Formats: sequence, C-alpha cells, structure tokens
Amino acid sequence: NAGVTQTPKFQVLKTGQSMTLQCAQDMNHEYMSWYRQDPGMGLRLIHYSVGAGITDQGEVPNGYNVSRSTTEDFPLRLLSAAPSQTSVYFCASRTSGGEAGEQFFGPGTRLTVL
Amino acid sequence: DAKTTQPNSMESNEEEPVHLPCNHSTISGTDYIHWYRQLPSQGPEYVIHGLTSNVNNRMASLAIAEDRKSSTLILHRATLRDAAVYYCILRRRGGGSNYKLTFGKGTLLTVNP
Repeated sequence: NAGVTQTPKFQVLKTGQSMTLQCAQDMNHEYMSWYRQDPGMGLRLIHYSVGAGITDQGEVPNGYNVSRSTTEDFPLRLLSAAPSQTSVYFCASRTSGGEAGEQFFGPGTRLTVL
Repeated sequence: DAKTTQPNSMESNEEEPVHLPCNHSTISGTDYIHWYRQLPSQGPEYVIHGLTSNVNNRMASLAIAEDRKSSTLILHRATLRDAAVYYCILRRRGGGSNYKLTFGKGTLLTVNP
C-alpha cells in the first residue's frame, strides 16, 4: 500500500492563479479530509468527505473547493490563489465504522503564493 | 468542542521516560482522547487513543485520570527519533463528521543525546 499520496510536493503560484492539489489513498477509506498548517501552528481543517459524492466544510473553507467523485481521490482546488493561502497542506484518510482511532496523513504539499 | 491544554515545550534525555501531560477539563463522556505526533517536515502520525482505561501499544502508553479531566502520554524510553510536536486531541465518539480532528499547538518535545 502506498497509503496517502499528495502531489505536488512543492508549488509556487502567483496571486490570482488557480491550481488543484491532488490527494489519493489506496486503503479504501471512506473518510478523507484536507488541512492547512501555517508556521508555528497546529493543523486547521479545510474540507472533509465522509464518502464519494459527500463533502462538507471544515473550519477554514473560504477560497477552497472540493469534490469527491471516487473513493480514492479527494482533490483540493484553489480558484484564485491569495498570499494568505501560503501554507503546507495535508490530506488525511481513515476508515469508517468501528472505533479505530487512526487517521493516515500524507506527506504534505508546500504552497507559496506570491 | 472540548478544549485541551498542553505545555508549549518539554525536554528529555535519550533513553529516559517522558511524560507528556494534557488537560481536558471540559471533556464529555463521549469524547475519545487521541494523541498524534508530527516529526519535522512530515505529516502527523497517529500515536495512541483511549476512552476511559489506560492503553498501551508499541509506540507509547496512555494514562487517563479517573475523572478523565487529564491524560498523560508516556514514552517509555525516548529516542532522538521521538523529537516531534505531540498533539492531544479530543474526538467525539461516532462516525461521519465526528471523525474531524481539531489540532491545537501541541507540545514540542526535544530529546537530548
């Protein structure tokens, strides 16, 4: 299993550009989520999905869109990048059902918006 | 959501035990206590979780106070690889949106050789 994979690892954008951060998992997990982490801070939840076709907003959803057409993939779209979106982005997944505790995180995408 | 309080930083020596405290005085009866850690330049990594009883796994032990208002993550023999930010997180029991994790700033653990 590759676990949770994220691409790209690094990205530099200009203000106003759009891009999609990719996240994929091969563990057949129903639940997936996106976080951002600013320097010296904990992670903040952007959007999450409890299954294909179902998404919901987290703590800081403004400026980001998501969709979930397959169980494996959960892309995060920045429609018009702003310097305030400079951050490290992490994708995570976990299985549903039961009381298992573990969420699996990807290695992150470091985004800089100029 | 119930809040957790952790020290900003702690220091330990290699091969010694480490006790990382977490206060969660407003915990509800349906909240799990989770611990994650984040090594430098990596994504968070699950460590352990529990509800009421103490828990052990290959990475650590979790000691939960009888009133559940506090807990302690125990690393039995710290190694240099254990240097990381440790997050104590409460998660409401159940599925769906209850899988969300709310991260604070955590405790930065430094391990001295």
